[in-house]
Amino acid sequence: RKEVEQDPGPFNVPEGATVAFNCTYSNSASQSFFWYRQDCRKEPKLLMSVYSSGNEDGRFTAQLNRASQYISLLIRDSKLSDSATYLCVVNSGTGRRALTFGSGTRLQVQP
Amino acid sequence: DVKVTQSSRYLVKRTGEKVFLECVQDMDHENMFWYRQDPGLGLRLIYFSYDVKMKEKGDIPEGYSVSREKKERFSLILESASTNQTSMYLCASSRQGTVSNYGYTFGSGTRLTVV
Repeated sequence: RKEVEQDPGPFNVPEGATVAFNCTYSNSASQSFFWYRQDCRKEPKLLMSVYSSGNEDGRFTAQLNRASQYISLLIRDSKLSDSATYLCVVNSGTGRRALTFGSGTRLQVQP
Repeated sequence: DVKVTQSSRYLVKRTGEKVFLECVQDMDHENMFWYRQDPGLGLRLIYFSYDVKMKEKGDIPEGYSVSREKKERFSLILESASTNQTSMYLCASSRQGTVSNYGYTFGSGTRLTVV
């Protein structure tokens, strides 16, 4: 089983739609969680950290469910510019100072 | 802003060649990382370093080595390149103790093709 699992998509949504992605992680000791965004042929960039209480940044909302070991990302009022691959990222918390990345969920926002 | 610079954007090398991928960061970060990214497999950790001359194996170190002689520079070495090492290679850095809070900053990647 992969340490971090995501639905690869693609999710095809119209502009203005609300879309949600989920991600599950296998290590219950994981301590830190992030969503990264990666545009085609570019490097990943940090979109937002995910906090235990949930957090919001503009149109983006991230939630963490430790009991079920999943993380979600909600995008409201989708824009064409939101089209990208969204990577779920976890720090395993075992003392290793490296992050583990999911394979990503591709979002395509259509006009 | 932190800048992580990878020396080459595209590289084409022959099977059996020794290949050096260079990564330099300009913000005095302690931690540096090398990942490779392949379709359907996502980013996989090759090696990382949390101090000069220190290195730790990641999940897929076979066929690779690294060098960290200076804090700002972390090199990935393919001792004898093979076609299955054709991939996008991404370098990243972070300040010690901040991976948990702020994640990484990535370089723009090196797309290596081994023929």
